[in-house]
Amino acid sequence: GQNIDQPTEMTATEGAIVQINCTYQTSGFNGLFWYQQHAGEAPTFLSYNVLDGLEEKGRFSSFLSRSKGYSYLLLKELQMKDSASYLCAVRDPAGGFKTIFGAGTRLFVKA
Amino acid sequence: ETGVTQTPRHLVMGMTNKKSLKCEQHLGHNAMYWYKQSAKKPLELMFVYNFKEQTENNSVPSRFSPECPNSSHLFLHLHTLQPEDSALYLCASSQGEERETQYFGPGTRLLVL
Repeated sequence: GQNIDQPTEMTATEGAIVQINCTYQTSGFNGLFWYQQHAGEAPTFLSYNVLDGLEEKGRFSSFLSRSKGYSYLLLKELQMKDSASYLCAVRDPAGGFKTIFGAGTRLFVKA
Repeated sequence: ETGVTQTPRHLVMGMTNKKSLKCEQHLGHNAMYWYKQSAKKPLELMFVYNFKEQTENNSVPSRFSPECPNSSHLFLHLHTLQPEDSALYLCASSQGEERETQYFGPGTRLLVL
């Protein structure tokens, strides 16, 4: 079946580094997305990986290993505004435009 | 400003009511999506439209009826809903093809009494 797993909640300290893991089992794979969603707001795009390796974009980096069905989102120099839910999502080519989302990881950044 | 707007932002309805959710995208995209987001559950894809044609119906009950009159507008017509349909309904759009990032609207928070 189709499944995406990520931790439910994480807590980290302002200024620190946090890694949010995501594992997936899907019938196909055509890219992995990370979205950020603040409470009561729309999800917003953070990163996209389709090849193995690390993609860096400012304070955020995302890593993908297709053979392991594994990705992580790395947030550096944490700020209070980074407190949000982080959604891992996989595009399944077998499903046309179907993107499968994980339940999200709620990150709490404390002072 | 995300480029995708949704109205209303909040909706309370009884099980016998009929209501509609509206989504409009100002990004020139060709694909539009409806998702359901329930507390502590993954986003569930409901419908996909590409160039106004429905390409995905993810086994959604018939009490949800989508309509896409053009590539910029998407509606979700609701009738005889159940309390378990209470959720955040998100609209999204993308340029159209695989790999393309989806841009989400702010959602409609629906409560069915």
